[in-house]
Amino acid sequence: NAGVTQTPKFQVLKTGQSMTLQCAQDMNHEYMSWYRQDPGMGLRLIHYSVGAGITDQGEVPNGYNVSRSTTEDFPLRLLSAAPSQTSVYFCASSSGPWGEQYFGPGTRLTVT
Amino acid sequence: SQQGEEDPQALSIQEGENATMNCSYKTSINNLQWYRQNSGRGLVHLILIRSNEREKHSGRLRVTLDTSKKSSSLLITASRAADTASYFCATDAGNQFYFGTGTSLTVIP
Repeated sequence: NAGVTQTPKFQVLKTGQSMTLQCAQDMNHEYMSWYRQDPGMGLRLIHYSVGAGITDQGEVPNGYNVSRSTTEDFPLRLLSAAPSQTSVYFCASSSGPWGEQYFGPGTRLTVT
Repeated sequence: SQQGEEDPQALSIQEGENATMNCSYKTSINNLQWYRQNSGRGLVHLILIRSNEREKHSGRLRVTLDTSKKSSSLLITASRAADTASYFCATDAGNQFYFGTGTSLTVIP
């Protein structure tokens, strides 16, 4: 049981490049979410999904896209990277939005 | 924003002492959770308290919730160096989940 996995662990992008952060969970959780963590800001919700085929915006969705074609996977796409997207990104899953959240190890992204 | 705020932002104590951190939030909740984050790692769930509960214990952790004041506290008793981490409260609002800004706890051996 791997829990929540994220790839890559580290990534450096140039401004304007695109990329996809991968997230997968093997706990059959319906609820998955993406957060970014910046110094002094805590974690801010980017996008979330309450089940396969259903996604919605969180607090800071601009510049990011998500899709949820399976229960297991919830990729986060950066369409055109900007330096303001330099951050640590965490994926989480739970049985529901009110339940215990299980976090992945994070992806540290730097945009130059 | 529903985001909660922890107080203090940073706390430094000696090993064996108790550590108390507080969380305030803005709107009605179903439950409140506390998480720990060791440096450079993902968050780990510590304890969940429902809106109809006032106090909950788990090992050396004690959490209180006052929904009339929209606040919660986390008490760690008999602290250890391994408790050094950042601690976050988290609340729900509809289908969304919000974290506070965190308290950085340092336990000095």
